[in-house]
Amino acid sequence: EAQVTQNPRYLITVTGKKLTVTCSQNMNHEYMSWYRQDPGLGLRQIYYSMNVEVTDKGDVPEGYKVSRKEKRNFPLILESPSPNQTSLYFCASAGLAGGTDTQYFGPGTRLTVL
Amino acid sequence: AQSVSQHNHHVILSEAASLELGCNYSYGGTVNLFWYVQYPGQHLQLLLKYFSGDPLVKGIKGFEAEFIKSKFSFNLRKPSVQWSDTAEYFCAVIDSGGYNKLIFGAGTRLAVHP
Repeated sequence: EAQVTQNPRYLITVTGKKLTVTCSQNMNHEYMSWYRQDPGLGLRQIYYSMNVEVTDKGDVPEGYKVSRKEKRNFPLILESPSPNQTSLYFCASAGLAGGTDTQYFGPGTRLTVL
Repeated sequence: AQSVSQHNHHVILSEAASLELGCNYSYGGTVNLFWYVQYPGQHLQLLLKYFSGDPLVKGIKGFEAEFIKSKFSFNLRKPSVQWSDTAEYFCAVIDSGGYNKLIFGAGTRLAVHP
């Protein structure tokens, strides 16, 4: 089954404690992206990757890092989480079809930073 | 930068009522438009998309949307809603300046009462 998986689904942590949210897709997609969803703001892009070792900032990259060492995986790293990073995070992937390919979303990771 | 506006943040309907959710985008050039749905506790799923051609687009679960270029609109419609349509609905557009980057509206929460 074609899917995007994220782990963990729920995470409660404390300010400053480094964490990683994993994302994996099994569709051989080149493009992967991270979004955060906040009430009243919709989803906003954090980082994206067009292929292995190619990453770039989205609209809200501050406080986040990503890496793309393998095509299927695109982890989101919070080196020093802060309460304003409490949010619902979604990973997405798409094939490269002229920039208009449908994006497939993971189930989401609800992060609470105390 | 492009933006997407969804006019209704909360909509409450009774079963069998007709639904129309408004969506306006800001970009005047070629646009690729999407409606995503997020059922409670689940990830985003694609309802329908418009890239070109017939401006009336039919999606899954009986939803349709009409692209009206002169009004910069892409409203979502369903003639008769069901309780199972209770969800949050997001309109999105591909950012003309960002490859595969989706710009989302703030979302509309739909509650359908039996």
